[in-house]
Order: sequence, then C-alpha cells, then structure tokens
Amino acid sequence: QKEVEQDPGPLSVPEGAIVSLNCTYSNSAFQYFMWYRQYSRKGPELLMYTYSSGNKEDGRFTAQVDKSSKYISLFIRDSQPSDSATYLCAMTLLSGNTPLVFGKGTRLSVIA
Amino acid sequence: GAGVSQSPSNKVTEKGKDVELRCDPISGHTALYWYRQSLGQGLEFLIYFQGNSAPDKSGLPSDRFSAERTGGSVSTLTIQRTQQEDSAVYLCASSPWDGNSPLHFGNGTRLTVT
Repeated sequence: QKEVEQDPGPLSVPEGAIVSLNCTYSNSAFQYFMWYRQYSRKGPELLMYTYSSGNKEDGRFTAQVDKSSKYISLFIRDSQPSDSATYLCAMTLLSGNTPLVFGKGTRLSVIA
Repeated sequence: GAGVSQSPSNKVTEKGKDVELRCDPISGHTALYWYRQSLGQGLEFLIYFQGNSAPDKSGLPSDRFSAERTGGSVSTLTIQRTQQEDSAVYLCASSPWDGNSPLHFGNGTRLTVT
C-alpha cells in the first residue's frame, strides 16, 4: 500500500462548479498536510497548509483534514478555467525541512 | 525576490552518458531538496540538504545518482551512465530553516534519455 493515495483523474468540471479533491494516507503519524497546484511545465506551488485535523479556508479554497479517517480534502468553490492544473497533496511528520510525501496528483480541467 | 532556479530546463542525452543538473535555491534558504517526477508516478524524494549537516540520501534510487551542495547554496545532481528509466522531470525545492515554511519549487529540468 502506498503511503499516500490520490486519484489521478482526470477530472473535468464546468466553470462555476464545486470541486472536491481527496487523498488518503496510511501513516497515522503524519501531522502536516499541504496541497500544491502544478501548472503544465511548471514546479508545484503551495496552495494550502494545515496542521492536524480541522478546516482551513482561503478565498475559494478550503482544506479539510480528518486524521481519524486518514483522509484529506481540498474544495474549490466557483471553479474557474484558471484552476485547471494538477493538484498534489503532500504530508509530513514534522513541520518544514523534512521530506514531504506526495500523492500522484489529480489533473483537473475546468471547462468554460 | 528571485525564486528557485534550475538549469538546464530541458536536457536530452544518450543512454550511458553522465548528466549534471543545477539548482540555485532562494537566497537564505538553508534546506534544499531534490525530487523526481515521472509520468503517472508523482513526486519521488531523492535527497535533502540542511545547512552543514550530512545530507539525507535515503531516496536516491541507485549509486549512479549523487548530489552535492557547495557553500550551502548551489546544488548539483549528477546522474552517471544514464538509463532510459532515468527520464523524468527533476525538481529542486528550498525552504528556510524555521520549521513552518513550505517548500518553494523550481520549474524543474526535463531529462530525456534516448
């Protein structure tokens, strides 16, 4: 079993839809959870960063962590064509400066 | 300020040749990471440098892979006797040593071994 599982998609939604992206993980010791967005031929860029369980909201993006279920989610409200990218979940045991473990990424297309 | 810079952006090499990939981290960032991204495989950790400490090489896939970091700044990833399965995007990331900062990635070097 991979440490982090993420459905690779592709996922195609109409503009304005609510998008739900998810990852499951096996290591209950993970404490820090991140979502990165990666455009084609670019490096990943950080979208959301959360510690332990709970929700965090930033504009149209909401990150949710359920440690009891070992499940994290990223919700995108009012999706835009500019949100079309690959979304990677990542997690680590300690904050910063330790190797992140990444999911394979979900490719999202938002159709105008 | 300037982000993480990687060069070359693309590299095509023949099987069996050696290649060197370069990473210039963000100024002042003491932590530097190399990851490999293959099609459909996600990001695979290769090696991690933190300040003057011995690097964490636990992710290097074989002894053909090595990396160094000179003066706590620029890093070079070297792949000797390249194989076709080495074809991937090699990503470098840096982070300040403050325990809470995320990784900042470069745009990677796309390596193709023919």
